Amino acid sequence: ETGVTQSPTHLIKTRGQQVTLRCSSQSGHNTVSWYQQALGQGPQFIFQYYREEENGRGNFPPRFSGLQFPNYSSELNVNALELDDSALYLCASSLGLGPTDTQYFGPGTRLTVL
Amino acid sequence: KNQVEQSPQSLIILEGKNCTLQCNYTVSPFSNLRWYKQDTGRGPVSLTIMTFSENTKSNGRYTATLDADTKQSSLHITASQLSDSASYICVVTPLSGGYNKLIFGAGTRLAVHP
Repeated sequence: ETGVTQSPTHLIKTRGQQVTLRCSSQSGHNTVSWYQQALGQGPQFIFQYYREEENGRGNFPPRFSGLQFPNYSSELNVNALELDDSALYLCASSLGLGPTDTQYFGPGTRLTVL
Repeated sequence: KNQVEQSPQSLIILEGKNCTLQCNYTVSPFSNLRWYKQDTGRGPVSLTIMTFSENTKSNGRYTATLDADTKQSSLHITASQLSDSASYICVVTPLSGGYNKLIFGAGTRLAVHP
């Protein structure tokens, strides 16, 4: 176990709805990154938070937004859900922003959009 | 075009046999290259990390190699075990960007049969 937890484990929503996914980072880690993993594909970078500020963003529309809290836990919010948003959403925490800082992944949240 | 390409897409081997997985990347310049193992429905777990100046890195029965000139990496698994059944993902961290962003390949799905 990596010490990174995510909730919920599974979620089913319908098109147009909004969803919030949660991530608790490993103790002492101030950086959280979120990834979307479609079935059979590698994870795609959504964005990264460092000390409560967004510190980088991938090619995802603005309806994907996030937050990081003072305890470094994080939320991923997705508005106006689309069928293609169905995926495994992974969060990863690391000690810092250094490129050699290992990112430790949580078990993921499986989102299904009907 | 994907920046990280892996082959084969899937592989079946018998328990006790060796296998080698391939990764070709175009990300340049890059800080490091990692191999992750991802069990079905779980988050990826880091196996090895190599900087651009390293040629090989071992972690138990896993040995990764890197040729920065040809932009190729391989992961060799010796004496495979049933628990090695998983997806193996090649991951490159770009040198630029100012944040710890990972670029994932689509993975090789390995099945080890008794």
